[in-house]
Amino acid sequence: SQQGEEDPQALSIQEGENATMNCSYKTSINNLQWYRQNSGRGLVHLILIRSNEREKHSGRLRVTLDTSKKSSSLLITASRAADTASYFCATGTGTYKYIFGTGTRLKVLA
Amino acid sequence: SAVISQKPSRDICQRGTSLTIQCQVDSQVTMMFWYRQQPGQSLTLIATANQGSEATYESGFVIDKFPISRPNLTFSTLTVSNMSPEDSSIYLCSESDGNTEAFFGQGTRLTVV
Repeated sequence: SQQGEEDPQALSIQEGENATMNCSYKTSINNLQWYRQNSGRGLVHLILIRSNEREKHSGRLRVTLDTSKKSSSLLITASRAADTASYFCATGTGTYKYIFGTGTRLKVLA
Repeated sequence: SAVISQKPSRDICQRGTSLTIQCQVDSQVTMMFWYRQQPGQSLTLIATANQGSEATYESGFVIDKFPISRPNLTFSTLTVSNMSPEDSSIYLCSESDGNTEAFFGQGTRLTVV
C-alpha cells in the first residue's frame, strides 16, 4: 500500500529551470525522506525532514513539510540533465518502516 | 551509515520455481525490510523482518508466497515462491531505525519467464 501520493506523476523541464514535486500522505508521521532513483537502479537518499521541521536545504534541493496539510514538497533549483530520475517521498510513522509515495518521473532536457 | 549487500543482483527464472534473495548488512540492525518495485512503479513494502520472530507482512503479501528468514542481526533472506511472470520486479532490502536515513541494498532484478 502507498502512504503517499506524489504529483505530478511526470514532469519535463528545460535545463536551468526549477522543478517542484509534491507529496501528500495520509497519517501522522515522525519524519519524511526524499529519494532519487535513476532508471530503476539503487536509491539515493536526498533529505530527511522531521515532523517538527518546516524546511530543509541541501545544495540545490529545498524540502518543505506542512504537517497540517499532510504534504511535503521537493524543489530542485537550476536543474541539470543529470537530475533526470524518479523521485520518491517515504514517510516514517515511528514504527521503523517507511512507506513510499507513488513517485514523480522528472526529465530535464538539455 | 549501513552498507547493505544483496545477491543475486539479477536473475532470470522459470515460472513455477523459487528464488532466494540474500541481504547482508555490515552492522547489527534491529529491523530489516523487504520491498518490491514492479516495473515503472514505486516501492511497496512486503514485510518487516525481526530477528527471533516471524516476519510481519503487509496487506496483500503472504508468508507462503514470500517466506522470510532473519537468523541474526546482520542477515535476512526473502524467497519468492512458485514464481509467475507477475513476480518480475526489483526486490530491495532495507534497514532503518525509523528516525534516520533508511539504507537500501542495490536490489535484485528478477525476470520470470
